[in-house]
Amino acid sequence: DVKVTQSSRYLVKRTGEKVFLECVQDMDHENMFWYRQDPGLGLRLIYFSYDVKMKEKGDIPEGYSVSREKKERFSLILESASTNQTSMYLCASKKGGQAYGYTFGSGTRLTVV
Amino acid sequence: DQQVKQNSPSLSVQEGRISILNCDYTNSMFDYFLWYKKYPAEGPTFLISISSIKDKNEDGRFTVFLNKSAKHLSLHIVPSQPGDSAVYFCAASAQYGNKLVFGAGTILRVKS
Repeated sequence: DVKVTQSSRYLVKRTGEKVFLECVQDMDHENMFWYRQDPGLGLRLIYFSYDVKMKEKGDIPEGYSVSREKKERFSLILESASTNQTSMYLCASKKGGQAYGYTFGSGTRLTVV
Repeated sequence: DQQVKQNSPSLSVQEGRISILNCDYTNSMFDYFLWYKKYPAEGPTFLISISSIKDKNEDGRFTVFLNKSAKHLSLHIVPSQPGDSAVYFCAASAQYGNKLVFGAGTILRVKS
């Protein structure tokens, strides 16, 4: 069964902390994505990556960075967590060159206090 | 500026009846549209899609209709079942691009 695995289901962090959210996929997909989901706003794209060591800003990249050193792993980094980054974070992957076939992880609920 | 809009935050339907979820978009470059379903504490899962060269796509109880001139699409579920209760997201992509743009979602409740 193909999977996108997010390392934590729930996280609570303090304001100003550096936070790492990890995502691993086992489908040999080229493309990986980080979204955040907020009520009334849907899923908004933070960053995505077409391939290893490649990254592109999404619609709301401010306050975030990413790392993709290996094809199967895509990390989202909150450089200095703030309360407005409290959200559900969803990782997804898909094969390159097509608009369908996204597989999502189960999400990480991050609370910044 | 939301390019994909789902104007109904929630919808309640009786079991066995039809559920109609609506979605509007503003970007005329979008040429591929998808619906995702999301249960609490799970990631979204793909439900059905439609290319801009079609106006209808059907898969079992689910049918998606696309009206390009109105920049509107809708998802019909018939008959609705209690297990269909979830959040439904409309999403769109331009030129088979690598990014999906999502709407805000509609919470569907199917009452038994």
